[in-house]
Amino acid sequence: TQLLEQSPQFLSIQEGENLTVYCNSSSVFSSLQWYRQEPGEGPVLLVTVVTGGEVKKLKRLTFQFGDARKDSSLHITAAQPGDTGLYLCAGGNSGAGSYQLTFGKGTKLSVIP
Amino acid sequence: NAGVTQTPKFRILKIGQSMTLQCTQDMNHNYMYWYRQDPGMGLKLIYYSVGAGITDKGEVPNGYNVSRSTTEDFPLRLELAAPSQTSVYFCASQEGRTLRWTDTQYFGPGTRLTVL
Repeated sequence: TQLLEQSPQFLSIQEGENLTVYCNSSSVFSSLQWYRQEPGEGPVLLVTVVTGGEVKKLKRLTFQFGDARKDSSLHITAAQPGDTGLYLCAGGNSGAGSYQLTFGKGTKLSVIP
Repeated sequence: NAGVTQTPKFRILKIGQSMTLQCTQDMNHNYMYWYRQDPGMGLKLIYYSVGAGITDKGEVPNGYNVSRSTTEDFPLRLELAAPSQTSVYFCASQEGRTLRWTDTQYFGPGTRLTVL
């Protein structure tokens, strides 16, 4: 069974601060996705990374896939209250079980104005 | 496009009752999924379907059943509700025509179920 560990589980910061969220596994994944979920809604995809060492930027959000494709990070610069939500990482595989994503437990981010 | 829709939004059941959670997508996606989300536990896959007439178990299928008679609909059935099934249930769909492990999953707004 593949597992994805996210840290920290909870994060509360002031508006304007920077933060990094981590997603780690002992298993190799073919792809790593990050989703954001707001209260009362379903998760929404932010980004997909597929190449070891890949870095993608989405405005103030920077996503990185580890060289060995076992871990990923999400860095937010100058956090804003609109960034508040649950951030989930999800790993995908090209082999057996490729219909399924493995989700981490999530990082709950609160950005205080 | 409405995307993925789920009904009901909230439901309270008594132990032993049955119900069906409805899920419909209008994107002509091949793949559909049912997840449950417990506090602090992330998303766990219950069942999934890769096309009409084809379903398979996920990580936590016990106590649930599904069917996929059309591309659009993927209902989840709870036959004998138990308190352990109290959770938020999400349906998702995925196009499935490209590399599956890089496809976007589109989620519905969820059904919050309480079993007392």
